[in-house]
Amino acid sequence: EVQLVESGGDLVQPGGSLRLSCAASGFTFSSYWMHWVRQAPGKGLVWVSRINSDGSSYADSVQGRFTISRDNAKNTLYLQMNSLRTEDTAVYFCARGGYSAYVPNDYWGQGTLVTVSS
Amino acid sequence: DIVMTQSPDSLAVSLGERATINCKSSQSVLYSSNNKNYLGWYQQKPGQPPKLLISWASTRESGVPDRFSGSGSGTDFTLTISSLQAEDVAVYYCQQYYGTPPTFGGGTKVEIE
Repeated sequence: EVQLVESGGDLVQPGGSLRLSCAASGFTFSSYWMHWVRQAPGKGLVWVSRINSDGSSYADSVQGRFTISRDNAKNTLYLQMNSLRTEDTAVYFCARGGYSAYVPNDYWGQGTLVTVSS
Repeated sequence: DIVMTQSPDSLAVSLGERATINCKSSQSVLYSSNNKNYLGWYQQKPGQPPKLLISWASTRESGVPDRFSGSGSGTDFTLTISSLQAEDVAVYYCQQYYGTPPTFGGGTKVEIE
């Protein structure tokens, strides 16, 4: 059974940093693109970033502030979030992609809440 | 970026009746080399993560009831719930995964009338 479990969400002040983790199980983690998608309170879904073994990409709104990474030996996806802004407040979901970057997200974690506020 | 526009923002449908949600992309998401539309539909219930219902515009995911169907090509797509059930109350999102970044529509809230 595919499982994705996020952790690391917290209350942080503007300008602060946070690292999110997503523990994956039930599939060959290293073979899949992995994504972060966020959802501000009461709002829609917004793609944040994706990564595979060859590279990564980011939404313009987080480029230069967030860094996605993965540890295939630990089956874990990460999102390092720096220079956080109030508008980064959201539930952050990790989601599985596919063998290609251009496929939908078929499994999602439950999400972890990041609140940026003074 | 490819902009995805959903309509309506919300709709109320009687139990057993049909619900129709529209999604329009600002450019075609049909890849001519394989004739596939890079368009998915997700269902999100309160307090839950999104669930993929339909991929490639019309392919139902395993376990998804057959009352859910997707149609369309190019820039115009539709999600139809043929006979609304109480458990279908949710927000539905379309997503294009043709371009980078992948983008979602704004969502359509489906309620019982």
